[in-house]
Amino acid sequence: GIQVEQSPPDLILQEGANSTLRCNFSDSVNNLQWFHQNPWGQLINLFYIPSGTKQNGRLSATTVATERYSLLYISSSQTTDSGVYFCAVEEGSGGSNYKLTFGKGTLLTVNP
Amino acid sequence: DAMVIQNPRYQVTQFGKPVTLSCSQTLNHNVMYWYQQKSSQAPKLLFHYYDKDFNNEADTPDNFQSRRPNTSFCFLDIRSPGLGDAAMYLCATSRDPRGREQPQHFGDGTRLSIL
Repeated sequence: GIQVEQSPPDLILQEGANSTLRCNFSDSVNNLQWFHQNPWGQLINLFYIPSGTKQNGRLSATTVATERYSLLYISSSQTTDSGVYFCAVEEGSGGSNYKLTFGKGTLLTVNP
Repeated sequence: DAMVIQNPRYQVTQFGKPVTLSCSQTLNHNVMYWYQQKSSQAPKLLFHYYDKDFNNEADTPDNFQSRRPNTSFCFLDIRSPGLGDAAMYLCATSRDPRGREQPQHFGDGTRLSIL
């Protein structure tokens, strides 16, 4: 099956700093999503981005499908950005298994 | 406004006592998924329904079953919960994954504890 690797595994920032999270995947994908899991366990969908670039406020994401990676940018970080950021992909093999395979996540801590 | 609703938010059961978790959706999506997430790990797919078609992951234990009586509801049944089944259980939906722009939408999860 497809492999998904996220880096860094842990990141500690001061409030106001910028950061870039990376997701590498081993095969072509039909679907790529970035999620933020907050301390209460809620999984919030940030971006659906199998290719291209999207922006939503202080967050933006870019996926370069041909090179099999995606980047999540967080600017002017806030303490509420703390949590785990997951990248998840659906393999583009043309099969009927529509599951998302998650990376291990990046644990982000933003200190005041 | 909630589109994928999971009940209850927290569930406590005894070792070996059957438990059912529920998920409902207001999105009229074709596909419903159940994921298991253990502490400090990534979510892992247990199974999914594409309409009425059930698709089990190869490594999902037999102890886990699912029912989808209609489009809106899907249940996760754990027949004889063991201590290793304590986890967050996440339900998700998607419209039709064969189409374009079909993200999965997640509920808030049910955190299951086993006594």
